[in-house]
Amino acid sequence: NAGVTQTPKFQVLKTGQSMTLQCAQDMNHEYMSWYRQDPGMGLRLIHYSVGAGITDQGEVPNGYNVSRSTTEDFPLRLLSAAPSQTSVYFCASSYLTLSGANVLTFGAGSRLTVL
Amino acid sequence: AQSVAQPEDQVNVAEGNPLTVKCTYSVSGNPYLFWYVQYPNRGLQFLLKYITGDNLVKGSYGFEAEFNKSQTSFHLKKPSALVSDSALYFCAVRDINQAGTALIFGKGTTLSVSS
Repeated sequence: NAGVTQTPKFQVLKTGQSMTLQCAQDMNHEYMSWYRQDPGMGLRLIHYSVGAGITDQGEVPNGYNVSRSTTEDFPLRLLSAAPSQTSVYFCASSYLTLSGANVLTFGAGSRLTVL
Repeated sequence: AQSVAQPEDQVNVAEGNPLTVKCTYSVSGNPYLFWYVQYPNRGLQFLLKYITGDNLVKGSYGFEAEFNKSQTSFHLKKPSALVSDSALYFCAVRDINQAGTALIFGKGTTLSVSS
């Protein structure tokens, strides 16, 4: 059972380049989300999804796009990378319970540097 | 809006001493509260959660947390710290009335346990 798999683990981009961070989970979780982690800022929510075809914005969505065409995959796209997007990105997933008390399973992270 | 505050960037304790990592929250309704831990270069791991019932919640690795509704706090505690407990700790909250929304994290507290 692989859990939440993120690729790539490391990436260096030039300003203006585009790229996609991949996230895949094999636990049949309905809920998936992307966070970025910056020193002194903690974890900030970028986008999330409660099921295939449904996405919503989090706290810091600008500069990022997402789609959810399957239950398993939730890619994060940077259309025109900026140095401010240098960060460590985490994908997390969970079952979507009516209670909302679901526990997130996190991927190992993707470290992105934008020059 | 939901929010979480972790007032201490760093907590230093000696091995064998009790530890407390503080967390306060703000939600419009009743909260679901979580603690996660991040070891260096790893994703976050779930420690414990409060949903309802007993205000003292026990979790993994000997950690526990006390929910205090009047003080809107959910402090993480351990009676006797280990050097291996050194890590970054995150408190997170979700409003019970917003089960489909995402989990909001605090900025994190670095715990350093010295031998």
